[in-house]
Amino acid sequence: DQQVKQNSPSLSVQEGRISILNCDYTNSMFDYFLWYKKYPAEGPTFLISISSIKDKNEDGRFTVFLNKSAKHLSLHIVPSQPGDSAVYFCAASRAGNQFYFGTGTSLTVIP
Amino acid sequence: GAGVSQSPSNKVTEKGKDVELRCDPISGHTALYWYRQSLGQGLEFLIYFQGNSAPDKSGLPSDRFSAERTGGSVSTLTIQRTQQEDSAVYLCASSPTSGLGNEQFFGPGTRLTVL
Repeated sequence: DQQVKQNSPSLSVQEGRISILNCDYTNSMFDYFLWYKKYPAEGPTFLISISSIKDKNEDGRFTVFLNKSAKHLSLHIVPSQPGDSAVYFCAASRAGNQFYFGTGTSLTVIP
Repeated sequence: GAGVSQSPSNKVTEKGKDVELRCDPISGHTALYWYRQSLGQGLEFLIYFQGNSAPDKSGLPSDRFSAERTGGSVSTLTIQRTQQEDSAVYLCASSPTSGLGNEQFFGPGTRLTVL
């Protein structure tokens, strides 16, 4: 039973444009959400997080939006750069213990 | 290095054999997590440790899987009588503690192939 879903397996964006990666979850008890970035043959690296008391968190070119009523979060990357090409995983947790990950979205930023 | 390390990086084994996967967390990190990623799938939570104890073992797929952590540091994930469906990348992560606000730092993973 997939509690965190990333319905787009892949996304291609032109360099300089906005990349929007989406994530949906089913468990309303989740209160902490993270995005990870993964390059081939490496472990995921933390990108940005948001707790359920917020609806937006921004860090440089990366912004995460949380819509609790829709059980939806999204990651915006502006402007997109070729080095952003990677697989992006969203993850959700209740109280920061067990984490549930989505299946990932492969982002390709075209120069 | 200062990051999470895992060994071996690759393991090929025959069906029915036992395997041990090792994780060295970042020094001082009390929480340690094991995940696996099968081909085309997301990261599947297996187990996490807070110190040497494992409050949540619910993700272990069967009783062939076990994990231990000693001295609050190194952890080993053991798979007995491996099956072909155990083939996956096994990822370990650590964080300073469990709970909100603690990002997990991942190791590079162990790619297990069961023939």
